[in-house]
Amino acid sequence: SQTIHQWPATLVQPVGSPLSLECTVEGTSNPNLYWYRQAAGRGLQLLFYSVGIGQISSEVPQNLSASRPQDRQFILSSKKLLLSDSGFYLCAWSVRGIEKLFFGSGTQLSVL
Amino acid sequence: GESVGLHLPTLSVQEGDNSIINCAYSNSASDYFIWYKQESGKGPQFIIDIRSNMDKRQGQRVTVLLNKTVKHLSLQIAATQPGDSAVYFCAENGSGAGNNRKLIWGLGTSLAVNP
Repeated sequence: SQTIHQWPATLVQPVGSPLSLECTVEGTSNPNLYWYRQAAGRGLQLLFYSVGIGQISSEVPQNLSASRPQDRQFILSSKKLLLSDSGFYLCAWSVRGIEKLFFGSGTQLSVL
Repeated sequence: GESVGLHLPTLSVQEGDNSIINCAYSNSASDYFIWYKQESGKGPQFIIDIRSNMDKRQGQRVTVLLNKTVKHLSLQIAATQPGDSAVYFCAENGSGAGNNRKLIWGLGTSLAVNP
């Protein structure tokens, strides 16, 4: 069966520090991968998606970047965090060409 | 479009009652719709989905109804339990083709079940 791992679960970082969140998927090949952000009590905002290794599409201009160094690995990064980067970050995957998403457990990021 | 920037509406029901959560979708080209449940501090979990060639689909204690004429989607939860308390999101697949089709998310509705 397929599983998605996302870590860390909670992260507190000072303003101006770098960020690296990692997501890996097991049990499937060539998945589409996604990074979403969710502000407290709000909806889901798509940040990045990837249809293959090295292929990243950005949905929202911002302080963040994403990379996909391996087929089942998706990384969200920032060189210098802003207060506005605080939020709940969710990684998700889908079968290529299928819209149904499977989400990770999320990372609660607090930038202070 | 995206649902960010707006506060979640809330639905409060008594334990044992039926719940109906509504969603209006925007894109006439959407042919796939899906509901997710998100508990506090967790990632969204798939509940049920439906293709546009159907009007109704049933799962365990849940039913999704699709009205394409008025672009309306609803999720019905039978005999609502305290464990059903969560935020519920609808999503549509919008336009686009093939592997580039991405979900368009609704605002989300917070369901509170009173014992």
